[in-house]
Amino acid sequence: DADVTQTPRNRITKTGKRIMLECSQTKGHDRMYWYRQDPGLGLRLIYYSFDVKDINKGEISDGYSVSRQAQAKFSLSLESAIPNQTALYFCATSDFTRGAHNEQFFGPGTRLTVL
Amino acid sequence: GESVGLHLPTLSVQEGDNSIINCAYSNSASDYFIWYKQESGKGPQFIIDIRSNMDKRQGQRVTVLLNKTVKHLSLQIAATQPGDSAVYFCAESKGDYKLSFGAGTTVTVRA
Repeated sequence: DADVTQTPRNRITKTGKRIMLECSQTKGHDRMYWYRQDPGLGLRLIYYSFDVKDINKGEISDGYSVSRQAQAKFSLSLESAIPNQTALYFCATSDFTRGAHNEQFFGPGTRLTVL
Repeated sequence: GESVGLHLPTLSVQEGDNSIINCAYSNSASDYFIWYKQESGKGPQFIIDIRSNMDKRQGQRVTVLLNKTVKHLSLQIAATQPGDSAVYFCAESKGDYKLSFGAGTTVTVRA
């Protein structure tokens, strides 16, 4: 969905490096999410935000941090990347104010490789 | 603990036939059950959801069935088309509407 963009789309980095993944949305949605996808494991929630300055941990937040400084932007940071953080990362948004509780709109994903 | 899973990781379907994708869940307290479709190289896309107090809901060419007695969810796709080839995820939500996703079923449509 072009309304949710992620940068970069691909990134190769080395163990110990700090990495930031960016997500921007033009949908005007209040809620934003970060997931990681690993083969055979589906999507797992890392962090989510219900509004600006609101941050909540998901099921696998260790080793990650996020920032939501504006409604349209939600960034994910890996403070010190490790190889088992190699995965496909997705940002998503949803519009809770419209009552569309379960319909999340996903970005195209960022493929991260940690060597 | 709670988990959402799918019965089979892969499904091969003849074009024009109906597809049935199954999912088992363990959290009886979930409020909604949802299906997402993920095409190759893209993010997941919402298909349909069903509230826990319903047992059937229909959309365009899709039907979701919920059997709370055996904690089973299914997605039926009528007249399967090549564009239906994708990975399908079931998910559940409770309370503040965070989604918990299952592992996914890869559907391949044969011409």
